[in-house]
Amino acid sequence: EAGVAQSPRYKIIEKRQSVAFWCNPISGHATLYWYQQILGQGPKLLIQFQNNGVVDDSQLPKDRFSAERLKGVDSTLKIQPAKLEDSAVYLCASSQASGGNTDTQYFGPGTRLTVL
Amino acid sequence: KQEVTQIPAALSVPEGENLVLNCSFTDSAIYNLQWFRQDPGKGLTSLLLIQSSQREQTSGRLNASLDKSSGRSTLYIAASQPGDSATYLCAVRNSSASKIIFGSGTRLSIRP
Repeated sequence: EAGVAQSPRYKIIEKRQSVAFWCNPISGHATLYWYQQILGQGPKLLIQFQNNGVVDDSQLPKDRFSAERLKGVDSTLKIQPAKLEDSAVYLCASSQASGGNTDTQYFGPGTRLTVL
Repeated sequence: KQEVTQIPAALSVPEGENLVLNCSFTDSAIYNLQWFRQDPGKGLTSLLLIQSSQREQTSGRLNASLDKSSGRSTLYIAASQPGDSATYLCAVRNSSASKIIFGSGTRLSIRP
C-alpha cells in the first residue's frame, strides 16, 4: 500500500513570495489533514478535510493561507504572501475516517519550507 | 482549552533499559489519544491509538496506558534498543470531529 505522498520535499523562498504544497493521501482515505510543525514543537493542525469538505480550519491564517481538496482526493496548501515565521515543516496526513479506530493517521514525509 | 504537555523534553538511557514516557492533558473529556514516533527529517508514524473507553493498548515492546481522570497517558518501552531513538509525540482528540492537539514531544536517545 502506497503511503502519503508530498511534494516538494524542500522549498526555499523569499518573504512576500508565494508557495504551494501538494499532498496525495492513501487511496480510499476520506480524511486529510495539513499540519505546520515549527522546529522543536509538535505539529499544529491547520485544516482538516472530510472528503472535499472542510471540517476544521480554525487555526488556518486565512489572510495568507488557503487549501483545497480536489474531488476529495489530492490537496494543495498555498501561502501567499509568505512571512519569515512561516518557516516550518508542513505535514500532510490522512485517515480512513474521523473517529473510532479509523482515526489512525498516516503521515507523509513533509515539506520543509525556509522563508528568507 | 485543551493543552498537552510532555515532560521531559529529552531523555537519554542505556540500551536494554525499560522506560516510561509521559503525556498529560488538561481536559479529561477526550475522545482518543495517540502516540507517534518521529525520526529526524521524517513524518510521523502512529504507534498506538487508545480510545477513551480503553485503559491500555499494546504493540510488541510498546504499551500505552490512559488515565482520563488524572489527565495522563504513559508510553512504556521495554528492553530499549538504539533503533528506538526518536522523538515521541502524544496527541489528543476531544471529540470525533474536533482537532487534534499535539504535545511538543520527548526526544529519546538510547545509548549502545
